[in-house]
Amino acid sequence: GAVVSQHPSWVICKSGTSVKIECRSLDFQATTMFWYRQFPKQSLMLMATSNEGSKATYEQGVEKDKFLINHASLTLSTLTVTSAHPEDSSFYICSARLAGVTGELFFGEGSRLTVL
Amino acid sequence: GENVEQHPSTLSVQEGDSAVIKCTYSDSASNYFPWYKQELGKRPQLIIDIRSNVGEKKDQRIAVTLNKTAKHFSLHITETQPEDSAVYFCAALGPGKSTFGDGTTLTVKP
Repeated sequence: GAVVSQHPSWVICKSGTSVKIECRSLDFQATTMFWYRQFPKQSLMLMATSNEGSKATYEQGVEKDKFLINHASLTLSTLTVTSAHPEDSSFYICSARLAGVTGELFFGEGSRLTVL
Repeated sequence: GENVEQHPSTLSVQEGDSAVIKCTYSDSASNYFPWYKQELGKRPQLIIDIRSNVGEKKDQRIAVTLNKTAKHFSLHITETQPEDSAVYFCAALGPGKSTFGDGTTLTVKP
């Protein structure tokens, strides 16, 4: 299957700082990428849909000014958690979809964020 | 928007038995239905998928069925093994959207 790389895999930061997470499709172009948040033993909660060259579409309840998403190219989307607080600590994971009406969805490795 | 319901939330079977997980969806525009297996702390891995123009698909011990009229699809695992133990997620995808079920924790007892 296609490869999606996410970096960093884990990060620890101080409260009030910003953290950037990158999601790359390594061997295909992804016009659409998705960002999720996952709490322990829970499902994937869709945060936003990232579209190349346009603004991201955020799910209800997700603060777009706190979770900045940029999809500058067909192979890269970034999620920046701004002014992080301990309650932002979570597992963040991206996915990228192959082109086409029924394109397959592949996941990055995930990023474990811990805010002290 | 799309709503995906997955049942059961936990499932425990004896090694060698079959396991069935069911999902229902609400948006008739959804046209792609993958199933993922996620082990603790790792990324979800695609194990099988089905598209809306197909009713059933099988890959060795794993099969998926889709009933578009009723808007439900199911995962079937036969001859379960301890290494099948994980969390399984269904998903319904449409144009620009992906919605996941809440997951099923499958435990296969040796």
